[in-house]
Amino acid sequence: ILNVEQSPQSLHVQEGDSTNFTCSFPSSNFYALHWYRWETAKSPEALFVMTLNGDEKKKGRISATLNTKEGYSYLYIKGSQPEDSATYLCAFITNAGKSTFGDGTTLTVKP
Amino acid sequence: DVKVTQSSRYLVKRTGEKVFLECVQDMDHENMFWYRQDPGLGLRLIYFSYDVKMKEKGDIPEGYSVSREKKERFSLILESASTNQTSMYLCASGYGTAENTEAFFGQGTRLTVV
Repeated sequence: ILNVEQSPQSLHVQEGDSTNFTCSFPSSNFYALHWYRWETAKSPEALFVMTLNGDEKKKGRISATLNTKEGYSYLYIKGSQPEDSATYLCAFITNAGKSTFGDGTTLTVKP
Repeated sequence: DVKVTQSSRYLVKRTGEKVFLECVQDMDHENMFWYRQDPGLGLRLIYFSYDVKMKEKGDIPEGYSVSREKKERFSLILESASTNQTSMYLCASGYGTAENTEAFFGQGTRLTVV
């Protein structure tokens, strides 16, 4: 079983704070790295698909970076809003098509 | 919009029953996946399939089997349900190319085995 770790496990921030969290993954057999947002009572939804070392992706106030050589990805949220409250999952995809998810970082943004 | 539909939202079954969880996607995706989600353990891959009649074991295949007779349908089978299979089950589908591998998830089936 591949080791995909996310930190921190949970995070509580005030509205307007910027925050970031980490996903660590194996540096071999890399095919893609995904970030998902999973809101309570909903299904996980993809935020980013990252495939190349040095990739940087952005969607509104959320951005992500990728370092495949050292095996980590960062997710950044600028100016957090209460609607950003969710669990953020990363998934490591091997070149055999297998996906392994981290346990997630649960973000709570207080108004 | 991509739609991944799981046949039941909630299911209660008895120990020893054979249980079928059905999943259908409408986007002609090559890949389909079954996960289970348990508190503190994240999403764990049970089985996945990258083509019709093809299947690959994930991290926790024991006690499960799958069937993919048609491209749009991926079934998870619990041959003899046990209480430790009480969980939330999520189906997902996606394309097979690197830039388009993100998974689209169904709404989940919460299975309780009594």
